[in-house]
Amino acid sequence: GDSVTQMEGPVTLSEEACLTINCTYTATGYPSLFWYVQYPGEGLQLLLKATKADDKGSNKGFEATYRKETTSFHLEKGSVQVSDSAVYFCALSETGGFKTIFGAGTRLFVKA
Amino acid sequence: NAGVTQTPKFQVLKTGQSMTLQCAQDMNHNSMYWYRQDPGMGLRLIYYSASEGTTDKGEVPNGYNVSRLNKREFSLRLESAAPSQTSVYFCASSARPTEAFFGQGTRLTVV
Repeated sequence: GDSVTQMEGPVTLSEEACLTINCTYTATGYPSLFWYVQYPGEGLQLLLKATKADDKGSNKGFEATYRKETTSFHLEKGSVQVSDSAVYFCALSETGGFKTIFGAGTRLFVKA
Repeated sequence: NAGVTQTPKFQVLKTGQSMTLQCAQDMNHNSMYWYRQDPGMGLRLIYYSASEGTTDKGEVPNGYNVSRLNKREFSLRLESAAPSQTSVYFCASSARPTEAFFGQGTRLTVV
């Protein structure tokens, strides 16, 4: 079945460092891809999305490109802030289906 | 802008007790979901409802039941709670195939 694999955390960075969180997926069709963010004590909220190959999603300085050839959707940010400390989830939504499948999540700590 | 509202936010149960987690959304979404979140496991789908009047099992349905009461409400019931059901539970809704909107979560401890 469809699945999402993302890099294990935690990831600890200093403020203004570059961030990459790797995400790869397995899917039989052409899923939509998402990054969600979860701040402490809160539910998940959508960070960005891409619905077809080569689409780039972006929001709040974060971006990710839907790479069909490598089945990847890596999350990147050029300069992280302390306020970016959170858990990040990569996810896919099955083509024509009803379910969203999540990766295990990657915790990011950003130090001042 | 309530979005997805879950109640309660916290609950402690004794083994064998029952309870119902409530979820309501005001975005007129057809699809609703219940997930559990455990450390290192990400989010696992318990049950989902593609539309009013339908429910289907997800990845980890054992020990749970659900009711799609109407288009707005989707409840999750634990008939006989077990310590393995200690988790954070999230309700979500979506207008497929777009992104899901999540509630704030219910932190459940079974002792």
